[in-house]
Amino acid sequence: SQTIHQWPATLVQPVGSPLSLECTVEGTSNPNLYWYRQAAGRGLQLLFYSVGIGQISSEVPQNLSASRPQDRQFILSSKKLLLSDSGFYLCAWSTNFQETQYFGPGTRLLVL
Amino acid sequence: KQEVTQIPAALSVPEGENLVLNCSFTDSAIYNLQWFRQDPGKGLTSLLLIQSSQREQTSGRLNASLDKSSGRSTLYIAASQPGDSATYLCAVLYTDKLIFGTGTRLQVFP
Repeated sequence: SQTIHQWPATLVQPVGSPLSLECTVEGTSNPNLYWYRQAAGRGLQLLFYSVGIGQISSEVPQNLSASRPQDRQFILSSKKLLLSDSGFYLCAWSTNFQETQYFGPGTRLLVL
Repeated sequence: KQEVTQIPAALSVPEGENLVLNCSFTDSAIYNLQWFRQDPGKGLTSLLLIQSSQREQTSGRLNASLDKSSGRSTLYIAASQPGDSATYLCAVLYTDKLIFGTGTRLQVFP
């Protein structure tokens, strides 16, 4: 069966520090991978998606970047965090765009 | 602009009641519509997926309907239980993008 992992589960970082969140998927090959952010009181916002290694599409201009160095690994990064980067970050995978997405447990990021 | 709206934002009911959660979307050119459940501080769990050609899907006590022409979907929860307490999210798939509503926070008390 397929599983999706995210770490860390919780992160507190100062403004201006770098960020690296990792997501890995097991039990499937060549998945679509997604990064979402859920801010307090707001819906999920798609940040990035990837259909293959090295292929990243960005949905909104922002302080973040994403990379997919391996088929089942998706990384969310920032060189310098902003207060507005605080939120709940969710990684998801699907077999293709038309199938359901399966979500990881999320990472709660607090930027102080 | 493609938007997804959920009403009500929050709902508190006694155990045993039948519930209806509403979802509306502005662009009817959808591929599918999904309902998710999110427990506090957790990821999302897929509940039901309705393809654009379908009218409804059922899973246990859950039934989701889709009226694409009017841009609406409802999630019906029968005989609610305290374990149903969570936030329920509606998400509409357009081409290659899943647009989420802001959710309905449901509390079922004993």
